[in-house]
Amino acid sequence: DTEVTQTPKHLVMGMTNKKSLKCEQHMGHRAMYWYKQKAKKPPELMFVYSYEKLSINESVPSRFSPECPNSSLLNLHLHALQPEDSALYLCASSQRVGGMNTEAFFGQGTRLTVV
Amino acid sequence: GEDVEQSLFLSVREGDSSVINCTYTDSSSTYLYWYKQEPGAGLQLLTYIFSNMDMKQDQRLTVLLNKKDKHLSLRIADTQTGDSAIYFCAEESEAGTALIFGKGTTLSVSS
Repeated sequence: DTEVTQTPKHLVMGMTNKKSLKCEQHMGHRAMYWYKQKAKKPPELMFVYSYEKLSINESVPSRFSPECPNSSLLNLHLHALQPEDSALYLCASSQRVGGMNTEAFFGQGTRLTVV
Repeated sequence: GEDVEQSLFLSVREGDSSVINCTYTDSSSTYLYWYKQEPGAGLQLLTYIFSNMDMKQDQRLTVLLNKKDKHLSLRIADTQTGDSAIYFCAEESEAGTALIFGKGTTLSVSS
């Protein structure tokens, strides 16, 4: 099983809403990532979790709040977003952060629209 | 800083070979990757090459690495319409903590 599953696939939310994006993998990977991808742009790293601990936050605004409840799950809690936050949010996992064999597997993404 | 450059567009006819080029800056990258993204979808890992290799072949895909020039290429033999997508070259960040992507090359295959 080399699958990273993200839910929901599409999300439309108002600027005052609170919502969560979910990501799950069962490959035994200990590193999980959130990337943000705007249209016609490459993915940009937001957060990295290593062994369920936040190891990198790429200066992401606090209206995005990641959570890693266990080694298989990664959430991204959203609150008070702006229309410019509309994008494809991609989750990825790899065996571990850094070192050998760090190939990352990506989910299909959640397409978020903030209205 | 780290940077990955790609040409933005490539158009080929069905059955021809496609060659997508990429240059990168971080000579310490252990692995270099090619990802494919179809419209509205996530990223699919196509192949990767270890930095001490010159070439890697996987069915219709051939990756060439020129470490001296920091140049990576992806050749797709017998290109099909289903190969139409955006192809991202990626290297590991200097700290090895995440991927740095190029801007992506849009491959258009006409029949």
